[in-house]
Amino acid sequence: EAQVTQNPRYLITVTGKKLTVTCSQNMNHEYMSWYRQDPGLGLRQIYYSMNVEVTDKGDVPEGYKVSRKEKRNFPLILESPSPNQTSLYFCASSLGVSSYEQYFGPGTRLTVT
Amino acid sequence: GQSLEQPSEVTAVEGAIVQINCTYQTSGFYGLSWYQQHDGGAPTFLSYNALDGLEETGRFSSFLSRSDSYGYLLLQELQMKDSASYFCAVRDFDYKLSFGAGTTVTVRA
Repeated sequence: EAQVTQNPRYLITVTGKKLTVTCSQNMNHEYMSWYRQDPGLGLRQIYYSMNVEVTDKGDVPEGYKVSRKEKRNFPLILESPSPNQTSLYFCASSLGVSSYEQYFGPGTRLTVT
Repeated sequence: GQSLEQPSEVTAVEGAIVQINCTYQTSGFYGLSWYQQHDGGAPTFLSYNALDGLEETGRFSSFLSRSDSYGYLLLQELQMKDSASYFCAVRDFDYKLSFGAGTTVTVRA
């Protein structure tokens, strides 16, 4: 089944404790991205990647890191999480940079206390 | 960056027609997309307009006017399952994707 998977789905952590949210897709997509969703703000792009080893900042990259060592995986790293990073996070992928249809993962609900 | 505006809420009865408008300001533009998100779920793709005009997909249609920086999503023959949030999105020439804040559609019996 073609899909985007994220783990964990739910995470409660404390300020400053490094964490990684994994994202994997099995569709051989080139374009991958991370979003955070907060009430009233819609989806805001954190980072995106056009292909392996190519990543770029979205609208809200501060406090996040990403890497794209393999085509299928695009982990999101929070080196020192803070309470303002409490949010719902989505990973998404699309066939290529000009593809208009994105496939979203199920989401990761992160709470930082 | 990009700026997209859409209404925050729309309420309608079953069987009605709802139009969700989206206006955008962008430094580059590859087209306007629409996504649906049910409460607690992942967004799913609905439609895309690269050129001016109307695109129809079943009960849903989407329209784009590039000269007016404006588009809309039309939901026809509303059903209870159409209660969800709807987002418009644009991709700029750097391939960065921006979404509107979303419109919550509530369908009443």
